[in-house]
Amino acid sequence: ELKVEQNPLFLSMQEGKNYTIYCNYSTTSDRLYWYRQDPGKSLESLFVLLSNGAVKQEGRLMASLDTKARLSTLHITAAVHDLSATYFCAVDPQGGSEKLVFGKGTKLTVNP
Amino acid sequence: NAGVTQTPKFQVLKTGQSMTLQCAQDMNHNSMYWYRQDPGMGLRLIYYSASEGTTDKGEVPNGYNVSRLNKREFSLRLESAAPSQTSVYFCASRYRGIRNQPQHFGDGTRLSIL
Repeated sequence: ELKVEQNPLFLSMQEGKNYTIYCNYSTTSDRLYWYRQDPGKSLESLFVLLSNGAVKQEGRLMASLDTKARLSTLHITAAVHDLSATYFCAVDPQGGSEKLVFGKGTKLTVNP
Repeated sequence: NAGVTQTPKFQVLKTGQSMTLQCAQDMNHNSMYWYRQDPGMGLRLIYYSASEGTTDKGEVPNGYNVSRLNKREFSLRLESAAPSQTSVYFCASRYRGIRNQPQHFGDGTRLSIL
């Protein structure tokens, strides 16, 4: 059974600082997704990571995937208040299953 | 540009009542999903439909039924609502068969069972 763990679950940081959110998963997969959710809103797709060593960047966010370590990271560079949100990783089990498994989310608060 | 549309957005039910949550997508996606989101639990898959005419259980299917009415619509029914089903329900869809396609989510239905 695929399990997905994110840490930390809560992250409070100052504007201008850097930090990394980690997403570990328990079984083989080569597809991982990062989503953002603002309070009371829907989930917005940020990144799709499809292969070992994949790296995607958008603004101050950079995501990477290491399938051998079963680890993805979401790195935040020089945080700004607008990045405050909850970030979820989600993993597709290998073999074409539709049962995407989500981590519990990391609630990020960026303080001025 | 509607994407995934869920109705209703809010609902309050009494224990034992039934209701159906509606979901429709206009992106010609073949796969559709229902999730529930509870504080501290992330999203958990209730049911999914990989294509029109098929449905399968997810992680937490008990107490729910689904219908894939056609390619566009996927409904979730609570036959006898219980307080433990108080949650935010999200419908999602994606095009199965293209590896780089994420799921697209609706705005959610906030359901309270008293």
